[in-house]
Amino acid sequence: DAGVTQSPTHLIKTRGQQVTLRCSPKSGHDTVSWYQQALGQGPQFIFQYYEEEERQRGNFPDRFSGHQFPNYSSELNVNALLLGDSALYLCASSSVGTDTQYFGPGTRLTVL
Amino acid sequence: GENVEQHPSTLSVQEGDSAVIKCTYSDSASNYFPWYKQELGKRPQLIIDIRSNVGEKKDQRIAVTLNKTAKHFSLHITETQPEDSAVYFCAASMGRRSGYSTLTFGKGTMLLVSP
Repeated sequence: DAGVTQSPTHLIKTRGQQVTLRCSPKSGHDTVSWYQQALGQGPQFIFQYYEEEERQRGNFPDRFSGHQFPNYSSELNVNALLLGDSALYLCASSSVGTDTQYFGPGTRLTVL
Repeated sequence: GENVEQHPSTLSVQEGDSAVIKCTYSDSASNYFPWYKQELGKRPQLIIDIRSNVGEKKDQRIAVTLNKTAKHFSLHITETQPEDSAVYFCAASMGRRSGYSTLTFGKGTMLLVSP
Protein backbone atom coordinates (compact mmCIF):
# COMPACT_ATOMS: atom_id res chain seq x y z
CA ASP A 1 0.00 0.00 0.00
CA ALA A 2 1.72 3.15 -1.23
CA GLY A 3 1.82 6.10 1.09
CA VAL A 4 1.66 9.74 0.05
CA THR A 5 4.14 10.55 -2.69
CA GLN A 6 5.38 13.92 -3.98
CA SER A 7 7.46 15.10 -6.89
CA PRO A 8 9.94 16.50 -7.48
CA THR A 9 12.10 16.07 -4.37
CA HIS A 10 14.02 19.29 -4.89
CA LEU A 11 13.53 22.28 -7.13
CA ILE A 12 15.53 25.44 -7.74
CA LYS A 13 13.88 28.45 -9.38
CA THR A 14 14.61 32.14 -9.79
CA ARG A 15 12.45 35.03 -8.70
CA GLY A 16 9.47 35.68 -10.95
CA GLN A 17 9.29 32.14 -12.29
CA GLN A 18 6.40 29.74 -11.86
CA VAL A 19 6.49 26.26 -10.32
CA THR A 20 4.23 23.21 -10.19
CA LEU A 21 4.47 20.60 -7.45
CA ARG A 22 2.69 17.24 -7.53
CA CYS A 23 1.15 14.94 -4.95
CA SER A 24 -0.43 11.48 -5.03
CA PRO A 25 -2.50 10.63 -1.97
CA LYS A 26 -2.39 7.46 0.07
CA SER A 27 -4.50 4.67 -1.38
CA GLY A 28 -8.12 5.05 -0.31
CA HIS A 29 -7.83 8.77 0.46
CA ASP A 30 -9.79 11.41 -1.42
CA THR A 31 -8.75 14.68 0.25
CA VAL A 32 -5.45 16.49 -0.27
CA SER A 33 -4.11 19.35 1.84
CA TRP A 34 -1.02 21.43 1.09
CA TYR A 35 1.26 22.97 3.72
CA GLN A 36 4.29 25.26 3.56
CA GLN A 37 7.04 24.62 6.09
CA ALA A 38 9.67 27.35 6.40
CA LEU A 39 12.98 26.44 7.98
CA GLY A 40 12.62 25.99 11.73
CA GLN A 41 8.83 26.47 11.67
CA GLY A 42 5.75 24.30 11.82
CA PRO A 43 3.80 23.53 8.66
CA GLN A 44 1.36 26.26 7.64
CA PHE A 45 -1.90 25.36 5.88
CA ILE A 46 -2.21 26.59 2.28
CA PHE A 47 -5.41 24.94 0.98
CA GLN A 48 -7.36 21.72 0.84
CA TYR A 49 -8.97 19.93 -2.11
CA TYR A 50 -11.86 17.48 -2.19
CA GLU A 51 -13.94 16.42 -5.18
CA GLU A 52 -11.69 18.52 -7.42
CA GLU A 53 -12.63 21.74 -5.63
CA GLU A 54 -10.78 23.98 -3.21
CA ARG A 55 -12.68 23.54 0.06
CA GLN A 56 -10.66 25.60 2.51
CA ARG A 57 -7.83 28.08 2.18
CA GLY A 58 -5.27 29.45 4.59
CA ASN A 59 -3.74 32.90 4.61
CA PHE A 60 -1.84 32.67 1.32
CA PRO A 61 -2.03 35.04 -1.68
CA ASP A 62 -3.66 34.19 -5.00
CA ARG A 63 -0.22 33.42 -6.42
CA PHE A 64 -0.75 30.04 -4.80
CA SER A 65 -3.27 27.93 -6.67
CA GLY A 66 -4.04 24.28 -6.98
CA HIS A 67 -5.89 21.56 -8.73
CA GLN A 68 -7.19 18.10 -7.95
CA PHE A 69 -7.66 15.45 -10.60
CA PRO A 70 -10.33 12.73 -10.84
CA ASN A 71 -7.81 10.18 -9.49
CA TYR A 72 -7.47 12.40 -6.35
CA SER A 73 -3.90 13.46 -7.13
CA SER A 74 -3.19 17.15 -6.79
CA GLU A 75 -0.95 19.96 -7.99
CA LEU A 76 0.22 23.10 -6.26
CA ASN A 77 1.14 26.03 -8.49
CA VAL A 78 3.00 29.11 -7.38
CA ASN A 79 3.33 32.08 -9.74
CA ALA A 80 5.70 35.06 -9.60
CA LEU A 81 8.01 33.35 -7.14
CA LEU A 82 9.51 35.40 -4.33
CA LEU A 83 12.60 34.66 -2.25
CA GLY A 84 10.26 34.13 0.70
CA ASP A 85 8.56 31.22 -1.07
CA SER A 86 11.64 29.10 -0.39
CA ALA A 87 10.40 26.31 1.88
CA LEU A 88 9.49 22.66 2.17
CA TYR A 89 6.08 22.07 0.60
CA LEU A 90 4.21 19.20 2.18
CA CYS A 91 1.18 17.39 0.90
CA ALA A 92 -1.09 15.49 3.28
CA SER A 93 -3.90 13.13 2.41
CA SER A 94 -6.95 12.02 4.33
CA SER A 95 -10.47 10.69 3.83
CA VAL A 96 -13.31 13.19 3.94
CA GLY A 97 -15.04 13.14 7.32
CA THR A 98 -11.96 11.79 9.10
CA ASP A 99 -9.33 13.72 11.01
CA THR A 100 -6.07 11.87 10.44
CA GLN A 101 -3.72 13.32 7.85
CA TYR A 102 -0.69 11.50 6.46
CA PHE A 103 2.15 13.52 5.02
CA GLY A 104 4.28 13.02 1.97
CA PRO A 105 8.07 13.51 1.98
CA GLY A 106 7.77 17.06 0.68
CA THR A 107 9.32 19.11 -2.11
CA ARG A 108 12.16 21.41 -1.15
CA LEU A 109 11.78 24.63 -3.18
CA THR A 110 14.66 27.08 -3.33
CA VAL A 111 14.08 30.48 -4.95
CA LEU A 112 17.21 32.38 -5.94
CA GLY B 1 -8.51 31.61 13.47
CA GLU B 2 -6.86 28.98 15.60
CA ASN B 3 -3.48 29.70 17.20
CA VAL B 4 -1.27 27.01 18.73
CA GLU B 5 1.61 27.82 21.08
CA GLN B 6 4.23 25.14 21.82
CA HIS B 7 6.89 25.00 24.56
CA PRO B 8 9.76 24.50 24.98
CA SER B 9 11.40 25.17 21.64
CA THR B 10 14.32 22.90 22.57
CA LEU B 11 14.56 20.13 25.14
CA SER B 12 17.66 18.17 26.09
CA VAL B 13 17.39 15.05 28.25
CA GLN B 14 19.51 12.09 29.21
CA GLU B 15 18.63 8.66 27.89
CA GLY B 16 16.08 7.05 30.17
CA ASP B 17 14.65 10.35 31.41
CA SER B 18 11.13 11.54 30.67
CA ALA B 19 10.32 14.41 28.31
CA VAL B 20 7.25 16.63 28.35
CA ILE B 21 6.17 19.03 25.60
CA LYS B 22 3.25 21.40 26.15
CA CYS B 23 0.86 23.14 23.77
CA THR B 24 -1.99 25.58 24.17
CA TYR B 25 -4.71 26.38 21.65
CA SER B 26 -7.03 29.33 21.31
CA ASP B 27 -10.20 28.07 19.61
CA SER B 28 -12.51 26.17 21.95
CA ALA B 29 -14.13 24.58 18.87
CA SER B 30 -10.98 22.54 18.21
CA ASN B 31 -11.58 18.89 19.01
CA TYR B 32 -8.73 16.91 17.43
CA PHE B 33 -5.10 17.15 18.58
CA PRO B 34 -2.40 15.13 16.79
CA TRP B 35 1.32 15.01 17.49
CA TYR B 36 3.86 14.56 14.70
CA LYS B 37 7.53 13.59 14.84
CA GLN B 38 9.80 14.93 12.12
CA GLU B 39 13.34 13.66 11.76
CA LEU B 40 15.84 15.75 9.85
CA GLY B 41 15.00 15.79 6.15
CA LYS B 42 12.00 13.50 6.54
CA ARG B 43 8.22 13.80 6.49
CA PRO B 44 6.18 14.53 9.63
CA GLN B 45 4.95 11.21 11.04
CA LEU B 46 1.87 10.92 13.21
CA ILE B 47 2.84 9.38 16.55
CA ILE B 48 -0.31 9.83 18.62
CA ASP B 49 -3.54 11.81 18.58
CA ILE B 50 -6.37 12.60 20.96
CA ARG B 51 -9.92 13.79 20.58
CA SER B 52 -11.71 16.19 22.88
CA ASN B 53 -13.95 13.51 24.37
CA VAL B 54 -10.89 11.81 25.89
CA GLY B 55 -8.62 13.16 28.62
CA GLU B 56 -5.63 10.88 28.16
CA LYS B 57 -4.30 8.36 25.67
CA LYS B 58 -1.25 6.10 25.89
CA ASP B 59 0.72 4.10 23.37
CA GLN B 60 3.68 2.29 24.90
CA ARG B 61 6.20 4.98 25.97
CA ILE B 62 4.13 7.86 24.59
CA ALA B 63 1.11 9.50 26.20
CA VAL B 64 -0.94 12.61 25.50
CA THR B 65 -3.12 14.48 27.98
CA LEU B 66 -5.78 17.06 27.20
CA ASN B 67 -7.31 19.74 29.43
CA LYS B 68 -10.23 21.25 27.51
CA THR B 69 -11.02 23.81 30.20
CA ALA B 70 -7.53 25.25 30.13
CA LYS B 71 -7.17 24.59 26.39
CA HIS B 72 -3.86 22.86 26.65
CA PHE B 73 -2.49 19.43 25.80
CA SER B 74 0.83 17.75 26.44
CA LEU B 75 3.02 14.98 25.04
CA HIS B 76 4.81 12.74 27.51
CA ILE B 77 7.64 10.42 26.46
CA THR B 78 8.98 8.04 29.10
CA GLU B 79 12.27 6.10 29.08
CA THR B 80 13.63 8.26 26.26
CA GLN B 81 16.03 6.74 23.76
CA PRO B 82 18.49 8.39 21.34
CA GLU B 83 16.19 7.49 18.45
CA ASP B 84 13.52 9.72 20.01
CA SER B 85 15.68 12.71 19.01
CA ALA B 86 13.68 14.73 16.47
CA VAL B 87 11.44 17.77 16.14
CA TYR B 88 7.97 17.24 17.59
CA PHE B 89 4.96 19.26 16.44
CA CYS B 90 1.58 19.57 18.09
CA ALA B 91 -1.47 20.57 16.06
CA ALA B 92 -5.13 21.39 16.55
CA SER B 93 -8.14 21.00 14.31
CA MET B 94 -11.88 21.52 14.44
CA GLY B 95 -12.02 18.15 12.82
CA ARG B 96 -15.06 16.58 11.31
CA ARG B 97 -17.31 19.21 12.88
CA SER B 98 -16.12 21.67 10.25
CA GLY B 99 -16.59 19.15 7.47
CA TYR B 100 -13.04 19.47 6.27
CA SER B 101 -10.28 18.93 8.79
CA THR B 102 -7.30 21.29 8.53
CA LEU B 103 -4.40 21.41 10.96
CA THR B 104 -2.90 24.41 12.76
CA PHE B 105 0.60 23.57 13.98
CA GLY B 106 2.80 24.78 16.78
CA LYS B 107 6.33 25.89 15.98
CA GLY B 108 7.89 22.65 17.11
CA THR B 109 10.14 21.32 19.87
CA MET B 110 13.59 19.95 19.09
CA LEU B 111 14.15 17.02 21.44
CA LEU B 112 17.74 15.84 21.92
CA VAL B 113 18.29 12.62 23.86
CA SER B 114 21.88 12.12 24.91
CA PRO B 115 23.23 8.59 25.50
